[in-house]
Amino acid sequence: DAGITQSPRYKITETGRQVTLMCHQTWSHSYMFWYRQDLGHGLRLIYYSAAADITDKGEVPDGYVVSRSKTENFPLTLESATRSQTSVYFCASSESGGKMNTEAFFGQGTRLTVV
Amino acid sequence: KQEVTQIPAALSVPEGENLVLNCSFTDSAIYNLQWFRQDPGKGLTSLLLIQSSQREQTSGRLNASLDKSSGRSTLYIAASQPGDSATYLCAVVSGSARQLTFGSGTQLTVLP
Repeated sequence: DAGITQSPRYKITETGRQVTLMCHQTWSHSYMFWYRQDLGHGLRLIYYSAAADITDKGEVPDGYVVSRSKTENFPLTLESATRSQTSVYFCASSESGGKMNTEAFFGQGTRLTVV
Repeated sequence: KQEVTQIPAALSVPEGENLVLNCSFTDSAIYNLQWFRQDPGKGLTSLLLIQSSQREQTSGRLNASLDKSSGRSTLYIAASQPGDSATYLCAVVSGSARQLTFGSGTQLTVLP
């Protein structure tokens, strides 16, 4: 199916475990983003990627790692999960290049609970 | 640092009313502005994209305006319906990362 998909949709993990959230888009968009959404903080950027093999930190990158070996995939890894990382995580993508004014599309989110 | 503010935080109106949601941003150097809708427990659905060179954009009963110089955008919803009940988020794209910076949203309830 065309679009942007995240997996899993729901995840419960224990403190200290490593967990990876997956994001896949079918449009070959250059830009991909990871956001977390928390009550009282809204949506905050964790990491972004401008192209394959190019990633950079956003507003709240501590405790997270990303990679982008293929244009269509942008996994987010919590190296050692903490309770403060309990959140809803959203992946997004948008076009780039000469098309500066392009729409961003979001996945359905992953609800992560760290116990 | 770009900051986005949405007013009001919550709004409750009877069905059929026309309403306006407000969004303001601190840095006028934006590429575009996007309005989203989010239903409880769901993802973000893009409603309208206004490019930095545009003044407004329309889709059905929705009309969004942009005044980049004053750092303001409004989302106008005509003839509101109970199905319009959701949280509406405003986001601006700016900076070398072309990231979206979000407001905290307006929670809209349309009463039948």
